[in-house]
Amino acid sequence: SAVISQKPSRDICQRGTSLTIQCQVDSQVTMMFWYRQQPGQSLTLIATANQGSEATYESGFVIDKFPISRPNLTFSTLTVSNMSPEDSSIYLCSVTGGQGIVGELFFGEGSRLTVL
Amino acid sequence: GDSVTQMEGPVTLSEEAFLTINCTYTATGYPSLFWYVQYPGEGLQLLLKATKADDKGSNKGFEATYRKETTSFHLEKGSVQVSDSAVYFCALGNIAGYSTLTFGKGTMLLVSP
Repeated sequence: SAVISQKPSRDICQRGTSLTIQCQVDSQVTMMFWYRQQPGQSLTLIATANQGSEATYESGFVIDKFPISRPNLTFSTLTVSNMSPEDSSIYLCSVTGGQGIVGELFFGEGSRLTVL
Repeated sequence: GDSVTQMEGPVTLSEEAFLTINCTYTATGYPSLFWYVQYPGEGLQLLLKATKADDKGSNKGFEATYRKETTSFHLEKGSVQVSDSAVYFCALGNIAGYSTLTFGKGTMLLVSP
């Protein structure tokens, strides 16, 4: 298993500002994933972050809005840029379980953002 | 594309009642199926999994059987406890070489004493 720490755990932000969420893992991992959980909705994958290369974004998400850094094998950041109230969500970092089973993930506790 | 459909909540039960949360899926190929649980104030945790048809995943008294013929993976528990109150997510993983998941919308379970 992996222990994942996210910062901040929650924040209240003003419209038009940007916020960077940090994700720290206690072991080296190849792939890290960023998900969004909108109120009352399921989790949606934003992007996959590999160390040493640009993140791969899912349909509906773009780098200008959600820039991602992956400077090493234990750390990643997600920035939510030019925020609007529609960006109010829980943002979750996750990593694979490492046992070769597709889809087995460990999650951080999430960062709950409220945009006013 | 792949999709997961769960019964809507909240599901409200008394302690020691029997629990079923329905989950059906649409996918190509042979997906792996998962149930994740999110306790209040915490992140998602893997509850159980099944990687092929007729497999039964089990953990903490919860069970789910991978039924390919009905494309279902229903979650069951014989006797729920107040501490089981949480949001339960059904998910599938189906992209070779990746570990991304398609999630259902989640079902909130509320268990009263």
